[in-house]
Amino acid sequence: AQKVTQAQTEISVVEKEDVTLDCVYETRDTTYYLFWYKQPPSGELVFLIRRNSFDEQNEISGRYSWNFQKSTSSFNFTITASQVVDSAVYFCALSFSGSARQLTFGSGTQLTVLP
Amino acid sequence: SQTIHQWPATLVQPVGSPLSLECTVEGTSNPNLYWYRQAAGRGLQLLFYSVGIGQISSEVPQNLSASRPQDRQFILSSKKLLLSDSGFYLCAWSVYRGREQFFGPGTRLTVL
Repeated sequence: AQKVTQAQTEISVVEKEDVTLDCVYETRDTTYYLFWYKQPPSGELVFLIRRNSFDEQNEISGRYSWNFQKSTSSFNFTITASQVVDSAVYFCALSFSGSARQLTFGSGTQLTVLP
Repeated sequence: SQTIHQWPATLVQPVGSPLSLECTVEGTSNPNLYWYRQAAGRGLQLLFYSVGIGQISSEVPQNLSASRPQDRQFILSSKKLLLSDSGFYLCAWSVYRGREQFFGPGTRLTVL
């Protein structure tokens, strides 16, 4: 069975602080994908990144970076120099290769960036 | 580029009334389509998915149904709404199986 755990329910930081959102996953598959989504107050889920289980290289995109570690089954997301516009719910998700169906989502982390 | 539309954006319906939510995708062919519900508290629940016209798979037994009358059209329906049907309904599409899904703006449904 697949499972995604986001233990941090809510995080508050002050603008310009760095913040890391944790994601731990469980799967028996050797080939799988990991994702991060952002859900701002408007409600629409915005796709941020996909990571293949064979690619453990960290990824950086502007102020966003992702740390994928298969040894600890984690796919953590760091926002550097946070901004108020980063305030949102962030979801981590998992799927296995070949699935026509679904992404397994974590329960989300509410990030609030205070001015 | 691809876009996904959902309507209506908000809906308030009495208990026992019918429901029809529509989702359309533009700019792609033969997408995989999905309906999710997000109740208060953030969790995303997959309701239905479709890999082609007329092909619907249900994830959760309930009083909702889905149809795919055209390649890029996905409809969520109910004959009689329940209070528990209230929530935020999201439609999504993907090109490849098990890969990233792209979500629509959602419909906020309140059943009174």
